Amino acid sequence: EVQVVQSGAVVKKPGESLRLSCQISGYGLSRYWIGWVRQVPGKGLEWMGIIYPRDSETRYNPSFEGHVTISADNSITTAYLQWSSLKASDTAIYYCARHVSLAAFDVWGRGTLVTVSS
Amino acid sequence: EIVLTQSPGTLSLSPGESASLSCRASQRVYSSYLAWYQQKPGQAPRLLIYGATTRATGIPDRFSGSESGTDFTLTITRLEPEDFAVYYCQQYGDSPYAFGQGTKLEIK
Repeated sequence: EVQVVQSGAVVKKPGESLRLSCQISGYGLSRYWIGWVRQVPGKGLEWMGIIYPRDSETRYNPSFEGHVTISADNSITTAYLQWSSLKASDTAIYYCARHVSLAAFDVWGRGTLVTVSS
Repeated sequence: EIVLTQSPGTLSLSPGESASLSCRASQRVYSSYLAWYQQKPGQAPRLLIYGATTRATGIPDRFSGSESGTDFTLTITRLEPEDFAVYYCQQYGDSPYAFGQGTKLEIK
């Protein structure tokens, strides 16, 4: 069974840095992508970007590019979402999911709540 | 960049009735790469339909997807209490793989 395990909830101050992790287990190294989705509490889903761990090819939503960095370590089938300087508006739940080319986001993590407050 | 518009914003129905949720794309979706997700409060989204019409593993046949040009529809027949949730469409044919704004299906 494929599992997507995300790092735990965090509370940060504006201007601080942060890296979230997402590990996919129960599935061999294969041709899938890992993606990130933001959800501000009470709002809809926003696609942030995806990465192909085999070669680190990354596709960003222009709305997030330059503010976050998506990376991966293929040897441990883990992807990361990173900020160098958080803003209060980054407060949200961040979901990680496996993206299979034909079937979109087929397996999701439980989400990580990020709270940015002074 | 493809924009997806879902309607209605909220749909009020009773258990046993059928629901029809719409997702309109601003341009053609490559290879019908359109997915539908269900999200319940406090939970992660769950994939229901991919490729516009294919049910994901374990999804009951009460859920079906259809496509007509740039219009996509999720139909849920014989609504069960557990079907009341928020539903999102997403296109994954051309990056950025945007989501629609969602349709809330609520109990009447």
